[in-house]
Amino acid sequence: DAKTTQPTSMDCAEGRAANLPCNHSTISGNEYVYWYRQIHSQGPQYIIHGLKNNETNEMASLIITEDRKSSTLILPHATLRDTAVYYCIVRVGNRDDKIIFGKGTRLHILP
Amino acid sequence: KAGVTQTPRYLIKTRGQQVTLSCSPISGHRSVSWYQQTPGQGLQFLFEYFSETQRNKGNFPGRFSGRQFSNSRSEMNVSTLELGDSALYLCASSPGGLLGTDTQYFGPGTRLTVL
Repeated sequence: DAKTTQPTSMDCAEGRAANLPCNHSTISGNEYVYWYRQIHSQGPQYIIHGLKNNETNEMASLIITEDRKSSTLILPHATLRDTAVYYCIVRVGNRDDKIIFGKGTRLHILP
Repeated sequence: KAGVTQTPRYLIKTRGQQVTLSCSPISGHRSVSWYQQTPGQGLQFLFEYFSETQRNKGNFPGRFSGRQFSNSRSEMNVSTLELGDSALYLCASSPGGLLGTDTQYFGPGTRLTVL
């Protein structure tokens, strides 16, 4: 079973920041938080991952709470192309650990 | 760097047939994982190969099998196809390193339809 809880769907206005929450209250000390997104019928796209510290890359920012029980993915300026299902995953991240996907959050960007 | 490629992209088969799907990982990646995605079950892990050896396996029947070649390319095979095998089959590759995290990158998938 997936170790994360995400809202089923969210809306965000184009140009605004999209903040996608994820709860992972049973995360272990050696587990990373990963985010992927899947645009309709395409393969999931890696976005970002982190362990304890906040992370930022060209696509998004990842904010992890101090107790590591929840996190937020931030898309700073959402566009229509960001409409997708976003998956939050926790995993040890080494080569022996498979990815278990939950149902994700369906993000709708509104024009 | 080229991404993960999968062939064919679309496939139509009939019940009882078998099918082979191919995956070429990102250059330098040694681990290849396979996933099945259906509307009802979502994304489910099938198996993972590293250095031509299966290291992890999901809960799928023996009709689903795979292999990996010395160049890290991988194939998965489904025998005696059933209607329920209609799905998007995704391949993901990762470096397979020992240290730190091992991020998986997905291909575009093969859409299999069983009639």
